[in-house]
Amino acid sequence: QKEVEQNSGPLSVPEGAIASLNCTYSDRGSQSFFWYRQYSGKSPELIMFIYSNGDKEDGRFTAQLNKASQYVSLLIRDSQPSDSATYLCAAHQGGKLIFGQGTELSVKP
Amino acid sequence: EAQVTQNPRYLITVTGKKLTVTCSQNMNHEYMSWYRQDPGLGLRQIYYSMNVEVTDKGDVPEGYKVSRKEKRNFPLILESPSPNQTSLYFCASSLSLAGDTQYFGPGTRLTVL
Repeated sequence: QKEVEQNSGPLSVPEGAIASLNCTYSDRGSQSFFWYRQYSGKSPELIMFIYSNGDKEDGRFTAQLNKASQYVSLLIRDSQPSDSATYLCAAHQGGKLIFGQGTELSVKP
Repeated sequence: EAQVTQNPRYLITVTGKKLTVTCSQNMNHEYMSWYRQDPGLGLRQIYYSMNVEVTDKGDVPEGYKVSRKEKRNFPLILESPSPNQTSLYFCASSLSLAGDTQYFGPGTRLTVL
């Protein structure tokens, strides 16, 4: 079983809709969680991180963490075509960062 | 400008020919890491370093070596490359790992024939 799992997608949403990206992890010792965005042919870039249960908001992005269910999600409100990318979830375990396989998001105008 | 640089950006080589991919950061970051990215497998950590002279294995260290003699540099060494090491490689750095932005280099696309 992969330690960090994401829906591979692709996930397609219309412009202006809410995109919901999900991630589960298997190691309860995971300390913090990260969401990265990666455009095709580019390096990953950090969107936000979360380490406490609950919601964390940053502009149009909201990360949600539920440690009891071992579940992390990223909501993107008012999705724009420029949000079309692959979204990577990662869990911090000791000194390691474990990534999921990524979810491809396509926002249609 | 704060950045992580990698060289070379593209490399085609043959099986068994030793190579080094350099990584350098100018942000005085303590934590540095190497990843490989393969289709369907996502990013997998090869090695990481918490500070100078402190390195540890990630999830896929076989066939790779690293060193951290200076804070800014973290080279990745393939002593005897094989075709299954054909991949896109990223170096990254951050002040620490917990809750800090990890900056990624531009990537090195390696092909081993």
